[in-house]
Amino acid sequence: EAGVAQSPRYKIIEKRQSVAFWCNPISGHATLYWYQQILGQGPKLLIQFQNNGVVDDSQLPKDRFSAERLKGVDSTLKIQPAKLEDSAVYLCASSPRTSGSYGEQFFGPGTRLTVL
Amino acid sequence: GESVGLHLPTLSVQEGDNSIINCAYSNSASDYFIWYKQESGKGPQFIIDIRSNMDKRQGQRVTVLLNKTVKHLSLQIAATQPGDSAVYFCAENQETSYDKVIFGPGTSLSVIP
Repeated sequence: EAGVAQSPRYKIIEKRQSVAFWCNPISGHATLYWYQQILGQGPKLLIQFQNNGVVDDSQLPKDRFSAERLKGVDSTLKIQPAKLEDSAVYLCASSPRTSGSYGEQFFGPGTRLTVL
Repeated sequence: GESVGLHLPTLSVQEGDNSIINCAYSNSASDYFIWYKQESGKGPQFIIDIRSNMDKRQGQRVTVLLNKTVKHLSLQIAATQPGDSAVYFCAENQETSYDKVIFGPGTSLSVIP
């Protein structure tokens, strides 16, 4: 089966600019996650969707970050305006599980963002 | 606060030897643990998982041990190969938090040929 797709793979912008990332999860997966992974650290959850509803966005900096998952499939993550500290890899993952069940997450290759 | 961490940031092993990667967690309410492998330029890849009602689980060349008494998790890789070189993350599932998975900081494993 096809894996999680993300684009672009790399993005370089200047601070205060805007950027958007796209994710296409594995077909049929109900849950979609966006993570931020700063160099040398583990992924940090930014937002979790179940179908097209948000179930956790407690660590999303809502003053500059936004995400949506229209129709419960693809998702976009936007940063506006970007700061230097937003330089990181942004990982999208999907899972067939719903709340209360276990299961692995399937990760995409990530988008490496550099903010200058 | 609640966190998942690792004892060693880097580990070097000789090819063919066994590797042991350790992880400490602090939330005794966590009931599901996962090990992920992340190669350079790629997203994390699931290796093996274990539920809190178990203390050992084996996969192909990998074994995960869970000691709930001291809140310790380990990943053992048998006959380590160059392809095992990667960063390994343990992750903790807090089912009461909408299944949110919290990752530790990672251990970088280098296999010496």
